[in-house]
Amino acid sequence: EPEVTQTPSHQVTQMGQEVILRCVPISNHLYFYWYRQILGQKVEFLVSFYNNEISEKSEIFDDQFSVERPDGSNFTLKIRSTKLEDSAMYFCASSEETTAGNTIYFGEGSWLTVV
Amino acid sequence: SQKIEQNSEALNIQEGKTATLTCNYTNYSPAYLQWYRQDPGRGPVFLLLIRENEKEKRKERLKVTFDTTLKQSLFHITASQPADSATYLCALDTGRRALTFGSGTRLQVQP
Repeated sequence: EPEVTQTPSHQVTQMGQEVILRCVPISNHLYFYWYRQILGQKVEFLVSFYNNEISEKSEIFDDQFSVERPDGSNFTLKIRSTKLEDSAMYFCASSEETTAGNTIYFGEGSWLTVV
Repeated sequence: SQKIEQNSEALNIQEGKTATLTCNYTNYSPAYLQWYRQDPGRGPVFLLLIRENEKEKRKERLKVTFDTTLKQSLFHITASQPADSATYLCALDTGRRALTFGSGTRLQVQP
């Protein structure tokens, strides 16, 4: 079964540092997403990406966050200046078309700890 | 404000029984409702999707119902097994390509 892969699985960073989380979506998928889950809380939508541009973003996805598809396979989430409250599990996901009516596949997550 | 509620934080049942989990929502008009399984420290795994014009969907031991009048979905696992123990999440899709998740119900199936 094809899968979404994420690296690193766990990263510890100092407050104020930049972090890049990397994802390889499933190869024939067209839509890519980032979600996050703070420990003990709900999974929350951050951003969706299609055709090399953001198609939707939540209020959490402020100017500190950016996404990029630097080549044909990787999809990255950058946090410019991390805050303590950015500590969470970050999930990358992908789908063949829109989430509407199509399965969305999640990766295993990157656990970010900001100290 | 928009709200999704899953009936309880935890549900304990005996092996072989049917588990029924509830998802209620307010102030949404979802086009689709999805159910996911999440194990500790892992990503959500898609289980079933039901469209607003469908009343029921089945897959092996799983069954989902969707009542847009009551604004409720029920998720059933029949002949439950200890391996079914996990957190189950419902998620609404209004068609904007952004899923909104409930907080989940932790199911524990006792052998």
